[in-house]
Amino acid sequence: DAKTTQPPSMDCAEGRAANLPCNHSTISGNEYVYWYRQIHSQGPQYIIHGLKNNETNEMASLIITEDRKSSTLILPHATLRDTAVYYCIVTGGSQGNLIFGKGTKLSVKP
Amino acid sequence: DADVTQTPRNRITKTGKRIMLECSQTKGHDRMYWYRQDPGLGLRLIYYSFDVKDINKGEISDGYSVSRQAQAKFSLSLESAIPNQTALYFCATSDLKFAGTDTQYFGPGTRLTVL
Repeated sequence: DAKTTQPPSMDCAEGRAANLPCNHSTISGNEYVYWYRQIHSQGPQYIIHGLKNNETNEMASLIITEDRKSSTLILPHATLRDTAVYYCIVTGGSQGNLIFGKGTKLSVKP
Repeated sequence: DADVTQTPRNRITKTGKRIMLECSQTKGHDRMYWYRQDPGLGLRLIYYSFDVKDINKGEISDGYSVSRQAQAKFSLSLESAIPNQTALYFCATSDLKFAGTDTQYFGPGTRLTVL
């Protein structure tokens, strides 16, 4: 079973920030939080990952709470092309196993 | 990601046929993976390989076999296809830069239909 809990769906207006929450209350000290997204039936696309600190890249920002039990992925200015299923995954990484849950289906609307 | 290619992209076959799905990568990564995705569900790991001489079973390896022919190539075989193997199949690669992080990059997928 996935180690994370995400809302099944969210809507966001185009141009606004999309904030996608994820709960991972059983995360271990050596586990990272990863975010991927899947647009329609394409291959999943890596977005961002983090351990403790907040992270930002050209695609998104990742905010991890101090107790690491939850995180939020932020798409600062959502576009229609950001409509996708977003997966939050907790993994130690070295064992090579990403456990995908059902993710959050984000719909960006004009 | 064009660095990870899968062939064929679509395949329709009949029950009992042998099928091979191929994955190639130009990223120079050591690790490669095969996942399947059923409608409305997340991806599930079939097999993975950390280098050419290393093959490991994933969550749902029954009915599948793999071959790691080279660092850049990882093939998935269905020896005798059955209808419940109808799914989307994804190949992925990764490069463990340091312990704990292992970002995976996925191919475009193969849609397999077994009649």
